Amino acid sequence: DAGITQSPRHKVTETGTPVTLRCHQTENHRYMYWYRQDPGHGLRLIHYSYGVKDTDKGEVSDGYSVSRSKTEDFLLTLESATSSQTSVYFCAISESGGRTGNTIYFGEGSWLTVV
Amino acid sequence: GIQVEQSPPDLILQEGANSTLRCNFSDSVNNLQWFHQNPWGQLINLFYIPSGTKQNGRLSATTVATERYSLLYISSSQTTDSGVYFCAVPPNFGNEKLTFGTGTRLTIIP
Repeated sequence: DAGITQSPRHKVTETGTPVTLRCHQTENHRYMYWYRQDPGHGLRLIHYSYGVKDTDKGEVSDGYSVSRSKTEDFLLTLESATSSQTSVYFCAISESGGRTGNTIYFGEGSWLTVV
Repeated sequence: GIQVEQSPPDLILQEGANSTLRCNFSDSVNNLQWFHQNPWGQLINLFYIPSGTKQNGRLSATTVATERYSLLYISSSQTTDSGVYFCAVPPNFGNEKLTFGTGTRLTIIP
């Protein structure tokens, strides 16, 4: 199994509070991703990173920011959580990106509930 | 962007049956991956298969890139095969994002 750790695994927070999810990898992979999974929508990309301090937006990036100050850590921040951000969040890593064919590995997910 | 459709959305089978899951995509691709999400939410990569056929035990996958579809075959289904199966493709140029289909939920009944 790829060495990916997400934290926290479960969190309940109130509307309007900031929330940070952490993804830590031990594989030294260049690419890291944050996806959210919701019923009827499958997995949708929020943000991804292609190197330290190099990030780009995905299809559902509004309301989210990311940072990557080290190869091994990719942080996802909800500046002011809303109920629509209640979801399961998955971190993923890839050695050279999905386009070039390397396998993408997923973390175990973080269940976030915004009340 | 590229569109990915999976069918059927739901499939319920008796243990021991065979199944075929389909993934259609709207543009030519040079990469396609199949994933299994088990009932506990864990996502496991099954195949990287941009073209041709691959087999891994009771599972096999075939991608016909020129016709823009991929098939995942599961033979002699077991209850542990239950879960959601996703296919995912990247764009042919630009960034490294994978686009996922909405999945096929497979339920194997003992």
